[in-house]
Amino acid sequence: DPKIIQKPKYLVAVTGSEKILICEQYLGHNAMYWYRQSAKKPLEFMFSYSYQKLMDNQTASSRFQPQSSKKNHLDLQITALKPDDSATYFCASSQEGLGTLYFGAGTRLSVL
Amino acid sequence: QQQVRQSPQSLTVWEGETAILNCSYENSAFDYFPWYQQFPGEGPALLISILSVSDKKEDGRFTIFFNKREKKLSLHIADSQPGDSATYFCAASPGGYKVVFGSGTRLLVSP
Repeated sequence: DPKIIQKPKYLVAVTGSEKILICEQYLGHNAMYWYRQSAKKPLEFMFSYSYQKLMDNQTASSRFQPQSSKKNHLDLQITALKPDDSATYFCASSQEGLGTLYFGAGTRLSVL
Repeated sequence: QQQVRQSPQSLTVWEGETAILNCSYENSAFDYFPWYQQFPGEGPALLISILSVSDKKEDGRFTIFFNKREKKLSLHIADSQPGDSATYFCAASPGGYKVVFGSGTRLLVSP
């Protein structure tokens, strides 16, 4: 059974709309992350959270907002979607500060 | 600013050969270097890792060679198998909550 669940697996959205990408991890980790992968920038770091607190943010746009309702949840809300946002978004987790990341299978987002 | 560089971008080897994937970095604060393997449609998965206090790490057919002075490392895959065909990412971390990835090397092992 997958230990990091990402929903949905595929997502199609229209320009200007808003979507939420879901991530839940069952590895007992305290740190969670979002990465984005596209042809232009493979595995680009976006956010890191530890104990539901933001640790690092490398996303310039405020259109990307992580939401952590529980320790093992880190959703990603994306507003005012643009075609350039089309990518696969990976959620990951780790034991606090140990650097070894465990990735989910990703959500492939296409913005038309 | 690309902090972790990988070469080549793609590599083809014959089954049984040793594949050599290269990586270099800029930030002297990096002290942990994991390599991740990614198959199409899946998320990356940790393959092998090394700390900067070591110069070599082996795990079965996979070996990392690390040169701290030159800020370079390489992943050697001995006796390459068709099942090793994947994209390999070199990554680096100074500890804490950020891991920086290179752009990846796409490996194809031909039978």
